[in-house]
Amino acid sequence: EDQVTQSPEALRLQEGESSSLNCSYTVSGLRGLFWYRQDPGKGPEFLFTLYSAGEEKEKERLKATLTKKESFLHITAPKPEDSATYLCAVQELPNDYKLSFGAGTTVTVRA
Amino acid sequence: GAVVSQHPSRVICKSGTSVKIECRSLDFQATTMFWYRQFPKQSLMLMATSNEGSKATYEQGVEKDKFLINHASLTLSTLTVTSAHPEDSSFYICSATPGGTGRAPDTQYFGPGTRLTVL
Repeated sequence: EDQVTQSPEALRLQEGESSSLNCSYTVSGLRGLFWYRQDPGKGPEFLFTLYSAGEEKEKERLKATLTKKESFLHITAPKPEDSATYLCAVQELPNDYKLSFGAGTTVTVRA
Repeated sequence: GAVVSQHPSRVICKSGTSVKIECRSLDFQATTMFWYRQFPKQSLMLMATSNEGSKATYEQGVEKDKFLINHASLTLSTLTVTSAHPEDSSFYICSATPGGTGRAPDTQYFGPGTRLTVL
């Protein structure tokens, strides 16, 4: 059974067209939920960590929110440079900081 | 802060040879380091977890004799792919976690990755 499911698989946006990415998770105890951005041929870049339901974090045009079953990554007025694959991952309690990743959402923003 | 480097960035080798990949945390001490592999258009697959001075813990299905991991210091871990074959060709990525009680102890910071091609 998949622990982390991301949707949609791919998202094509026009510059300025806001949208949201979904990350649903199933764990017995959540230590933290992480969002990363990955550009082609590069390692993931850390964006956010969320620990408890109701928590929100923002960085430039990105805003991440968390509920007990899912997380959303909102992209407001995206620009072409926001094009990337966005990965969601969860850490369970207790563990040695291991991450379980979703398959990712590939976002393409057209000018 | 929280910079992780990998070397080399890409390597091409002949079948049967061994390849060593280095992962370094440049501005923090990493109590735990992880090694992943990623196939095209797929997500990251955890191969093993290593703690400084201890033997690595391998995920199910990962051959520990083929993928040798050494975590000799708090800033350096190495992955050696022994007797590499074409099916070992992949993108290998390491990550490092500060751990302890410092700021963001549980966050994994990733290196830029190493593209391995076995001919």
